[in-house]
Amino acid sequence: GAVVSQHPSWVICKSGTSVKIECRSLDFQATTMFWYRQFPKQSLMLMATSNEGSKATYEQGVEKDKFLINHASLTLSTLTVTSAHPEDSSFYICSAREKVRQGRRYEQYFGPGTRLTVT
Amino acid sequence: KNQVEQSPQSLIILEGKNCTLQCNYTVSPFSNLRWYKQDTGRGPVSLTIMTFSENTKSNGRYTATLDADTKQSSLHITASQLSDSASYICVVSGGGGFKTIFGAGTRLFVKA
Repeated sequence: GAVVSQHPSWVICKSGTSVKIECRSLDFQATTMFWYRQFPKQSLMLMATSNEGSKATYEQGVEKDKFLINHASLTLSTLTVTSAHPEDSSFYICSAREKVRQGRRYEQYFGPGTRLTVT
Repeated sequence: KNQVEQSPQSLIILEGKNCTLQCNYTVSPFSNLRWYKQDTGRGPVSLTIMTFSENTKSNGRYTATLDADTKQSSLHITASQLSDSASYICVVSGGGGFKTIFGAGTRLFVKA
């Protein structure tokens, strides 16, 4: 199956600093990438959807100036948590949807996640 | 309102036993339904994907069923193994604007 990678897999940062998380589709072109946040024992919560070359669409309640998303190419999207605070500590997961091709199923592949801890 | 509800919330079974997880949805119009397995601290991994015309789909010991009329799906796990301990998430795509709706998941614990 298709592979989505995330880097770093875990990060610890101090309050007030910014952290960048990368999401890459390794063997396919992803026209759409999604960023999710997951708190312990809860389901994934969609933060934003980004299409290559255009601005991300943020879900209600997600601050676009705090969570900067860049989808510069068909294989890379980045999420930058600016001025991080302890309440931003969470598990961040990206997902990529393959460019639709005739005969191919619609599929969404998830990365392994990034554990962010803000101290 | 587009919703996906999963039951039970958690489940404990003995190794080697079978179990069935349920997913009910109200997403309309319906596009597809996917089951994912998520190990603790990892991203979700796709198990099955079904569209409107598919009633059942198997992936090894995992068998998913879909009844588009009653808007219900189930995931059956046969001969459970310790490694099956994880959260199983039902995800339905569709609705206005082609949303992807996540269920809250079922946490499965397989005990020796």
